[in-house]
Amino acid sequence: QKEVEQNSGPLSVPEGAIASLNCTYSDRGSQSFFWYRQYSGKSPELIMFIYSNGDKEDGRFTAQLNKASQYVSLLIRDSQPSDSATYLCAVNPAWDSSYKLIFGSGTRLLVRP
Amino acid sequence: GAVVSQHPSWVICKSGTSVKIECRSLDFQATTMFWYRQFPKQSLMLMATSNEGSKATYEQGVEKDKFLINHASLTLSTLTVTSAHPEDSSFYICSARDRQVFRNTEAFFGQGTRLTVV
Repeated sequence: QKEVEQNSGPLSVPEGAIASLNCTYSDRGSQSFFWYRQYSGKSPELIMFIYSNGDKEDGRFTAQLNKASQYVSLLIRDSQPSDSATYLCAVNPAWDSSYKLIFGSGTRLLVRP
Repeated sequence: GAVVSQHPSWVICKSGTSVKIECRSLDFQATTMFWYRQFPKQSLMLMATSNEGSKATYEQGVEKDKFLINHASLTLSTLTVTSAHPEDSSFYICSARDRQVFRNTEAFFGQGTRLTVV
């Protein structure tokens, strides 16, 4: 079982719709969860991080964390063509003290104009 | 926000030569830096964790003699790909963690280095 799993997609949504990206993780003790966006040929850029169960909102983005289900998601409201990218879920495992991040394989999002 | 500068952005080298990639934290001190490798259409794979003043910790399957990491100061880590071969062609990305406790869990990424070995 991979430590961090994501559906590779592509996830295709029309402009203005809500895009829902999902991620599951295997280490139940993980404490920190991150969503990164990566455009082709570029390095990842941080969108949000979340530590506590529940929702965390930042502009058009909402991260949702459910530690009991070992599940973290990212909602993008009012999706724009410029949101088309690969979204990477990353987890800092509980067993690691260096705060390294384990990445999922990423979900490719396509927002159709 | 914190800035991590990676140099060069891209490099082409001949098979058998060595290439050095630099990763600098510009406005913060990074006791820990991480080196990742990303092949096309794949995710980031952690290669090693670089700690200032000590030896790097390599992930399983990563050859420490081939990928030399030096973290001589709180703002600079280098990755040297020795005796490069075409299969080493990849996108190499560094990230750094701010030593200040309250910002510990954020990792700031450099812009990446596209290595092509011909």
